[in-house]
Amino acid sequence: DAMVIQNPRYQVTQFGKPVTLSCSQTLNHNVMYWYQQKSSQAPKLLFHYYDKDFNNEADTPDNFQSRRPNTSFCFLDIRSPGLGDAAMYLCATSRDIVYEQYFGPGTRLTVT
Amino acid sequence: KNEVEQSPQNLTAQEGEFITINCSYSVGISALHWLQQHPGGGIVSLFMLSSGKKKHGRLIATINIQEKHSSLHITASHPRDSAVYICAVKTSGSRLTFGEGTQLTVNP
Repeated sequence: DAMVIQNPRYQVTQFGKPVTLSCSQTLNHNVMYWYQQKSSQAPKLLFHYYDKDFNNEADTPDNFQSRRPNTSFCFLDIRSPGLGDAAMYLCATSRDIVYEQYFGPGTRLTVT
Repeated sequence: KNEVEQSPQNLTAQEGEFITINCSYSVGISALHWLQQHPGGGIVSLFMLSSGKKKHGRLIATINIQEKHSSLHITASHPRDSAVYICAVKTSGSRLTFGEGTQLTVNP
């Protein structure tokens, strides 16, 4: 089935140790999004790719980076995770900006 | 004041009851999403609406653009419907603005 896949589902990293989260999609959608959701809060958009064009939200910390090597895959890199970066990270895709977003199951990141 | 407000914040129902969750927004939108999130889980998109009404099984979503209001209805509720229901509106570009969610608990 076409879907949005996130790996791993649970990730534990140490304070300051770089970590990469992965998202893949079989929907052939043009747009891929990364959201951060902290406990009991609404998701917050970090950035999105429209094809290869990277669009960063103004308030996304520099500590967060992203790569999209091809249509199917998008990565979220956290260069030096702090305790405050512990959250659920959600990937979503949409055919185009104006279309419905399809969300992956999320990766829960713990920082020790 | 949040741009997207949901009510109620928490809702407890008995199995079989008809449930309504409301969403009001204060900005111009191109579309409104209803999303479902189970504990510790990812988000599932239930509906995307720009006008009128949509129905999927026991779920019905309506939107009134003039009144800037949408409702999500669940008929014949079941314990497996227990989740957080989130209203999100699409404003300009790619941004989704999320409501704070409604925690629904359906007891058997």
